[in-house]
Amino acid sequence: GESVGLHLPTLSVQEGDNSIINCAYSNSASDYFIWYKQESGKGPQFIIDIRSNMDKRQGQRVTVLLNKTVKHLSLQIAATQPGDSAVYFCAENIGGTASKLTFGTGTRLQVTL
Amino acid sequence: EPEVTQTPSHQVTQMGQEVILRCVPISNHLYFYWYRQILGQKVEFLVSFYNNEISEKSEIFDDQFSVERPDGSNFTLKIRSTKLEDSAMYFCASRGISENAFFGQGTRLTVV
Repeated sequence: GESVGLHLPTLSVQEGDNSIINCAYSNSASDYFIWYKQESGKGPQFIIDIRSNMDKRQGQRVTVLLNKTVKHLSLQIAATQPGDSAVYFCAENIGGTASKLTFGTGTRLQVTL
Repeated sequence: EPEVTQTPSHQVTQMGQEVILRCVPISNHLYFYWYRQILGQKVEFLVSFYNNEISEKSEIFDDQFSVERPDGSNFTLKIRSTKLEDSAMYFCASRGISENAFFGQGTRLTVV
């Protein structure tokens, strides 16, 4: 079962450094993955996605890497800024557009000046 | 930029009362979802809705919950008799033909 009041892992990074946030997913049948950013009191905000037939995808200042062998996903943020401070969730999807997203636990990114 | 809007932003209700959370998905989207997030925990799937019917629901979505798309623009979540443990942030999301889901800002439900 799930724990009540999960303690989020926290990553502290200095402004200007690169951040790497990791996520392990559980279902080898997952075919689509998304990284979301959630600021305090707000809804998840889309950052970048990747399909299972790819192992890397780049956006503006962000890169997602997918390793299907070990079921691992990472989000790299280049030149981290104070505005990047938030909780980051990976989410996985199985079976197409109508299907639900299953979210990971989340990582809190703290950017220090 | 189109967005999912939710009202109210905060709802306080007494235990046992009915609440209706409202969402206006992005206008050309076809797939609609409710998720919830208990404070400090991860986002959990409740229900998905397509073509005017529920396509999938989680075990959280019991008989106390229902969803409706009454007028082609609103998408509502009703909790018939609220319990203390229903206190959470409730997020509505919608998807178009791409697989990316867009989330609203959430409704914070507090059951007292």
